[in-house]
Amino acid sequence: SQQGEEDPQALSIQEGENATMNCSYKTSINNLQWYRQNSGRGLVHLILIRSNEREKHSGRLRVTLDTSKKSSSLLITASRAADTASYFCATDFNNQGGKLIFGQGTELSVKP
Amino acid sequence: DTAVSQTPKYLVTQMGNDKSIKCEQNLGHDTMYWYKQDSKKFLKIMFSYNNKELIINETVPNRFSPKSPDKAHLNLHINSLELGDSAVYFCASSLLAPGGSPLHFGNGTRLTVT
Repeated sequence: SQQGEEDPQALSIQEGENATMNCSYKTSINNLQWYRQNSGRGLVHLILIRSNEREKHSGRLRVTLDTSKKSSSLLITASRAADTASYFCATDFNNQGGKLIFGQGTELSVKP
Repeated sequence: DTAVSQTPKYLVTQMGNDKSIKCEQNLGHDTMYWYKQDSKKFLKIMFSYNNKELIINETVPNRFSPKSPDKAHLNLHINSLELGDSAVYFCASSLLAPGGSPLHFGNGTRLTVT
């Protein structure tokens, strides 16, 4: 399967701590995207990182991409209870006609 | 203003029935999608339309038929519903052709087949 694999499946931390989620994939990509899904809602796009980029930031979010290891990580700094959600990586593989293939997500719980 | 809106939000129906889910986007995007999310939160693409033309058609039973009357609308019709069709169906749109830009999702339609 070309699906990205996320690790960990679930993460529970205290407010103020940092949260790191990882995504690994198997074949070459054009870009990799991270999304957040709050319970009962649609997915919200966070960051898109292209295959020739190594790091991107958006507010408290930092995404890294290591194409040699075929992996990406999402770091949320100084987490808040409102960050509690599921986080998904989605990969645009070279040979998939632009289809985004989603991983199974990491469930993040931030306790106040 | 809701960017991608889909109706209904909940749909409960019996096996064998036919149902439709509607989706509209007011973002001026060229591409629209249907995704299915199962009970384990696995999200799988079903279809994609670019300017009313079907461009992605995954291995989905023929009972599922998308229709795009214009580039702002993409509806999903499901015939002869089965128990396994129970899932959350998400509509999404993107500015560019698939892969080129982020997806904007609706809030989903939770379909329950009894």
